[in-house]
Amino acid sequence: DTAVSQTPKYLVTQMGNDKSIKCEQNLGHDTMYWYKQDSKKFLKIMFSYNNKELIINETVPNRFSPKSPDKAHLNLHINSLELGDSAVYFCASGLLERDEQFFGPGTRLTVL
Amino acid sequence: GNSVTQMEGPVTLSEEAFLTINCTYTATGYPSLFWYVQYPGEGLQLLLKATKADDKGSNKGFEATYRKETTSFHLEKGSVQVSDSAVYFCALGTGNQFYFGTGTSLTVIP
Repeated sequence: DTAVSQTPKYLVTQMGNDKSIKCEQNLGHDTMYWYKQDSKKFLKIMFSYNNKELIINETVPNRFSPKSPDKAHLNLHINSLELGDSAVYFCASGLLERDEQFFGPGTRLTVL
Repeated sequence: GNSVTQMEGPVTLSEEAFLTINCTYTATGYPSLFWYVQYPGEGLQLLLKATKADDKGSNKGFEATYRKETTSFHLEKGSVQVSDSAVYFCALGTGNQFYFGTGTSLTVIP
């Protein structure tokens, strides 16, 4: 009955590798988001998709590529991982006409 | 533009103390305001919200009032518990875009 789920919860990998994080929501929302939370807990939006279309694309390296196969899923693929990519990545979902977002549990990415 | 400025932490209080975490915002238009809470090792959970001026959001003993005249949305609780230890985020929402404050870490000691 999880509302917004992410996999994996932890991801440890070497520099230069490519990895993906998956997100799924079962709330029937039409908008999904990816946020990055750094070690100081600062939250920064990365991407937003509405009905599978990209609507927000903040200044993020093009090594990061979101993919939304359907309204309930928004995956994040990261190429050529760098040390600075280490962070907690949160997926969220919401309805565009309502100012509210529901967050997943986060994926802690550690790049060695 | 839109932004949120939040009181810096960390904040350490004794159990049953009064809590205030300050939050002010700048916005174009009429945003909704939120407080989210992040417990250790978990994602953000919505704590309370207010959608228009003078609205008061409340939940679990926490309260915040949307003050348009002072552009503020301060979080208060009359008597904190150890279980309230977490990071608290003030946020402003305008449709598809959210703006978060930097978070305030609260530790409540017995």
